[in-house]
Amino acid sequence: GENVEQHPSTLSVQEGDSAVIKCTYSDSASNYFPWYKQELGKGPQLIIDIRSNVGEKKDQRIAVTLNKTAKHFSLHITETQPEDSAVYFCAATPSRGRGSYIPTFGRGTSLIVHP
Amino acid sequence: EAQVTQNPRYLITVTGKKLTVTCSQNMNHEYMSWYRQDPGLGLRQIYYSMNVEVTDKGDVPEGYKVSRKEKRNFPLILESPSPNQTSLYFCASSFRQGANNEAFFGQGTRLTVV
Repeated sequence: GENVEQHPSTLSVQEGDSAVIKCTYSDSASNYFPWYKQELGKGPQLIIDIRSNVGEKKDQRIAVTLNKTAKHFSLHITETQPEDSAVYFCAATPSRGRGSYIPTFGRGTSLIVHP
Repeated sequence: EAQVTQNPRYLITVTGKKLTVTCSQNMNHEYMSWYRQDPGLGLRQIYYSMNVEVTDKGDVPEGYKVSRKEKRNFPLILESPSPNQTSLYFCASSFRQGANNEAFFGQGTRLTVV
């Protein structure tokens, strides 16, 4: 089945700096890669996603990049703000094989933005 | 408002006492699933359901049961809870099981088994 590795587990930045979270996946059949943000006391919420036919996607201060050859994808947050502080999860979803269409999540990154 | 509702939010119970965590969604989603979240381990899938009366095991199903008698409800049952099931549980739903479908998560249920 799919295996997703996520790094770092904790990321501490100053307000205004950029933050980058990286994930790798193992199953070449994965073709959908969502990112979720989990604020304290809440469930994860989708913030951006990317499909395998796209290399980069941007939405205001957040962007995702995907390298299918290397099997890794990243989340980039620019001009970080204190409200960006949360746990971020990446996920990979295979389109065929055992576990198809079931997302496998990374272990999460706790992002702390210091004012 | 479109949402996934879990109850209870917090639960403390004793070893061996059967409990049920309810999950309900109002978006007419076909696909529902349960996850547990533990420090350093991320979100691990317990069970999922592709539609009414169709359920299957996820990565960590031992000690859990589920049922899907109606489309909107997907309860998680712990027949004989043990301390290693102390965790934060999330229910999620999406329009259908498939790639490119956003999963909507409930607020979570924090379970402590003593």
